[in-house]
Amino acid sequence: GAVVSQHPSRVICKSGTSVKIECRSLDFQATTMFWYRQFPKQSLMLMATSNEGSKATYEQGVEKDKFLINHASLTLSTLTVTSAHPEDSSFYICSARDRLAGLSYNEQFFGPGTRLTVL
Amino acid sequence: TQLLEQSPQFLSIQEGENLTVYCNSSSVFSSLQWYRQEPGEGPVLLVTVVTGGEVKKLKRLTFQFGDARKDSSLHITAAQPGDTGLYLCAGGTYNTDKLIFGTGTRLQVFP
Repeated sequence: GAVVSQHPSRVICKSGTSVKIECRSLDFQATTMFWYRQFPKQSLMLMATSNEGSKATYEQGVEKDKFLINHASLTLSTLTVTSAHPEDSSFYICSARDRLAGLSYNEQFFGPGTRLTVL
Repeated sequence: TQLLEQSPQFLSIQEGENLTVYCNSSSVFSSLQWYRQEPGEGPVLLVTVVTGGEVKKLKRLTFQFGDARKDSSLHITAAQPGDTGLYLCAGGTYNTDKLIFGTGTRLQVFP
């Protein structure tokens, strides 16, 4: 159980184009989904928290107009990198919390990540 | 600002050796998770501890939550090459869904 998928796993795009990344919880309903960015050999950096049916909450320094997040259902969240530039190249990872998990268990289940390369 | 410092940052050992990774903070957490991440993949949850002093074992891995719920340790007995990866601790609190991730420990186990 607790499987999260991400699509695509790799994407290469030209500068100025937009890229959409999908994150799905396959066998549970996710109250909340999270989007992280990870630089080489570093820990995870939280970009935003998304709750189904409401606007995402972005971390300080993350441009909400640049990284559009939509959480349309309890099993799907999307991240769109708009007008991508080479500095947006990174490893993007989503995670999800099980709706039925207790508050004391802040467990997140992670997708396999998406490697974005902007040329 | 809540911070989780992990030590050591890097660890390179031979197969069969034992090791301990530490995760420390000045903040109290309601739960503490340990994840392992392999290159090009997402982190995989290894364990969750929620009670001060709690010890959990997962085969050769032993996890402990500090009595004050501010720190944790991961001990690996007889490390194997398959244990190679980035180990991340992450702390949760009651008032938010977010996790505070540690700085990470990169483990390399050589055959």
